[in-house]
Amino acid sequence: SQTIHQWPATLVQPVGSPLSLECTVEGTSNPNLYWYRQAAGRGLQLLFYSVGIGQISSEVPQNLSASRPQDRQFILSSKKLLLSDSGFYLCAWKITSGTYNEQFFGPGTRLTVL
Amino acid sequence: DQQVKQNSPSLSVQEGRISILNCDYTNSMFDYFLWYKKYPAEGPTFLISISSIKDKNEDGRFTVFLNKSAKHLSLHIVPSQPGDSAVYFCAARSTGSARQLTFGSGTQLTVLP
Repeated sequence: SQTIHQWPATLVQPVGSPLSLECTVEGTSNPNLYWYRQAAGRGLQLLFYSVGIGQISSEVPQNLSASRPQDRQFILSSKKLLLSDSGFYLCAWKITSGTYNEQFFGPGTRLTVL
Repeated sequence: DQQVKQNSPSLSVQEGRISILNCDYTNSMFDYFLWYKKYPAEGPTFLISISSIKDKNEDGRFTVFLNKSAKHLSLHIVPSQPGDSAVYFCAARSTGSARQLTFGSGTQLTVLP
């Protein structure tokens, strides 16, 4: 069966510090991968998605970047965090073949920027 | 511009009664719709979905209805149980290459015992 891991679960960082959040998927190959953010009291906003190694698409301009160095690894980064980067970050994956439409989410990372 | 809207941020229902969660969308190119359930500090879990070629899909206590002409979908939970208390997100799939999902802002459902 497929599983998706995210770490760390919680993170408190000062403004201006760098960020690296990691997401890995097990039990599937060549998944589509996604990074979402849920700000306090708001819905899920798609930040980045990837259809393959090294292929990253950004949905919104921001202070963050994403990379996919391996097939089942997706990394969210920032060189200098802003207060507005605080939120709940979710990684998700989806089967690329067939007619599957569902995305499956990881447990999330709570980021607080102080 | 919000393409998927959940206009009710919260809903309270008595245990055993029906819960109806609503969602509206503006993009007529959306061709697939999903509902997710989310508990605090956890990732959303997939609940039920419906293709735009259908108007109803049922799975146990959960039924999703789609009214394409009104660009409206709803999730019915009957009977509601206290364990159903969570935030419910509706999502719509675009026809983009990665089949991105656009999520609504969520509705907090509270089922009262």
